[in-house]
Amino acid sequence: EIVLTQSPGTLSLSPGERATLSCRASQSVSSSYSAWYQQKPGQAPRLLIYGASSRATGIPDRFSGSGSGTDFTLTISRLEPEDFAVYYCQQYGSSPWTFGQGTKVEIK
Amino acid sequence: QVQLVQSGAEVKKPGASVKVSCKASGFTFTSYGISWVRQAPGQGLEWMGWISVYNGNTNYAQKLQGRVTMTTDTSTAYMELTSLRSDDTAVYYCAREGAFGGNYPSGPLYYFHGMDVWGQGTTVTVSS
Repeated sequence: EIVLTQSPGTLSLSPGERATLSCRASQSVSSSYSAWYQQKPGQAPRLLIYGASSRATGIPDRFSGSGSGTDFTLTISRLEPEDFAVYYCQQYGSSPWTFGQGTKVEIK
Repeated sequence: QVQLVQSGAEVKKPGASVKVSCKASGFTFTSYGISWVRQAPGQGLEWMGWISVYNGNTNYAQKLQGRVTMTTDTSTAYMELTSLRSDDTAVYYCAREGAFGGNYPSGPLYYFHGMDVWGQGTTVTVSS
């Protein structure tokens, strides 16, 4: 199975700053079938990005995704207070679909 | 509105089975697939499997093969997990995934764009 490794584990930033989250796959993800999710405590995950770079419906344009092959990145251009959460990458190009272990974005 | 509503929390003993339901509304249920994802306390997300609502085809995570069964009826998806162990204690989520793109000689075609609608989660606690 494809193992996804996210870095860093925790990102401490202030509102207004830029956040860059990384996701590295143990083997190439076919057709860029990768996604990013945001999860807040006590809530279900929320789809942000699919197909490596397409924003899901209703997602603000401060969220952007990039990458292909084995390296994917989620960028939040200017952090808003509601963006502090845990972020997961996922690949759905090869069964079993797998998630990274998560990156926590916390207020500095 | 588009939503998935799951059944309530369950407490089970080791060795028992649990069946979680996920009722869809606000969209054409048969035009999508449903994934199930679980999250152990304080841990990350684990994909359990996917079911085509169109024809019932399933794709299960190998580690759960033989213990998990996913089914659907008119507007509800179900996930049954048998031979429960303490490490099955988790929040279980259903999520809409895969838009049906038509039926072809090779089988149904789905377009995958991530899990875009999630249920609220069902807590399953396995404890003696």
